[in-house]
Amino acid sequence: GENVEQHPSTLSVQEGDSAVIKCTYSDSASNYFPWYKQELGKRPQLIIDIRSNVGEKKDQRIAVTLNKTAKHFSLHITETQPEDSAVYFCAGGGNTPLVFGKGTRLSVIA
Amino acid sequence: DAGITQSPRYKITETGRQVTLMCHQTWSHSYMFWYRQDLGHGLRLIYYSAAADITDKGEVPDGYVVSRSKTENFPLTLESATRSQTSVYFCASGTSRYNEQFFGPGTRLTVL
Repeated sequence: GENVEQHPSTLSVQEGDSAVIKCTYSDSASNYFPWYKQELGKRPQLIIDIRSNVGEKKDQRIAVTLNKTAKHFSLHITETQPEDSAVYFCAGGGNTPLVFGKGTRLSVIA
Repeated sequence: DAGITQSPRYKITETGRQVTLMCHQTWSHSYMFWYRQDLGHGLRLIYYSAAADITDKGEVPDGYVVSRSKTENFPLTLESATRSQTSVYFCASGTSRYNEQFFGPGTRLTVL
């Protein structure tokens, strides 16, 4: 089955800097890759997703890139703000239900 | 607009007792999911359902039972709770396995 690995597990950046979180997946049949944000004590919420027929997708300060050949995808957050501090999860799925990475705790230091 | 709700929000029980966690959604989504969240493990799928009366195992189904007699409800039962089942449980719903999943607020379960 699918295996999704996420790095780093923790990330600290200065406010205004960029943050990058990387994930790899194992199943070449996977074709849907969402990213979820979970604030402390809250539920996970989708922030962006990408499908395998697209290489990059942007939404304001957030972008996701996908490299199907290398089986990895990344989340890019530019101009980070304190409210970006949260745990971010990547996930991948195709013939099987979504498998989530273990999460990255992002801290944005003001 | 309630969306997706879970009850109870907090539960303390003892080893060996049966516990049922409830999940209800008002969107008529065909898919529903149960995850557990533990530190260092992220979100792990327990069971999911594609429609009423259709359920499938996820990554960690042992010790859990689900049913789905109505589209809007997807209860999760721990038949004989163990300490290793202490966790935060999230229910989610969506239109398919490959579109956005909407998560409930979670249930924090402690098994003593």
